[in-house]
Amino acid sequence: GIQVEQSPPDLILQEGANSTLRCNFSDSVNNLQWFHQNPWGQLINLFYIPSGTKQNGRLSATTVATERYSLLYISSSQTTDSGVYFCAVDEDSSYKLIFGSGTRLLVRP
Amino acid sequence: EAQVTQNPRYLITVTGKKLTVTCSQNMNHEYMSWYRQDPGLGLRQIYYSMNVEVTDKGDVPEGYKVSRKEKRNFPLILESPSPNQTSLYFCASSFNFFTDTQYFGPGTRLTVL
Repeated sequence: GIQVEQSPPDLILQEGANSTLRCNFSDSVNNLQWFHQNPWGQLINLFYIPSGTKQNGRLSATTVATERYSLLYISSSQTTDSGVYFCAVDEDSSYKLIFGSGTRLLVRP
Repeated sequence: EAQVTQNPRYLITVTGKKLTVTCSQNMNHEYMSWYRQDPGLGLRQIYYSMNVEVTDKGDVPEGYKVSRKEKRNFPLILESPSPNQTSLYFCASSFNFFTDTQYFGPGTRLTVL
C-alpha cells in the first residue's frame, strides 16, 4: 500500500518563528489533505491540496504531485498552533485516507 | 453551520454493554466513514459508506457494525464492547471521496472497562 512519511516528527518553535512541515507519499494520489489535531483531540481540516498551492492566513501549502511531496508552511507561529499536524492521502482503489504519523509541534511563548 | 456532529463525546462503559455512537452531517454528503485513533497505530478506518444503504469494511471492522438508513446519519454500533475497543473515534464525511475535502467530527473518547 501507499506509504506516507512526515518530517520532522517533532518540532519546537519560539512564538513568531516560521516552519515547514513535509509529507512524502509513495504513489500517485487523488486526495491529499492536511489536518491539525489540537490538544483536545479535535481534527481540524487545514487544506485539501492534491496539487498546487493554497494559502489561508498564516498557513499555506504546496503539493508537487509529480514529485510526490507536500509542504505545509506556518508563518509567525502562535501558541495556538501547537498540536499534531497530519498529512493524509487516498490509497488507489480504496475509499479510505491513509494518515502519516504526524509532526508534533510545540510553540513556546 | 456546516458540521459533522458526534454523540456522545465521552463515554465510559463496561465490557459487553451494547452502545451506539451517533454521527450526523448537515452538508448532504454522500460519503461517510468511521476511524479510530490509537497511540502508536495512528488513525485506521473501521467502516465507510458511499451512499444510503451502501456500506463496506475498512481496515479494522471486527467488533463494529454500521448502518446508513438516511444520508445524514451513520451510527457506529458496538454490540459487545471489549477493552481493546477503548479508543478515540472519528466520523468523517464528504461529497466525493476522491475530489473533495473530508470533514471530521469532534471525536468520541470511549473507554471500555
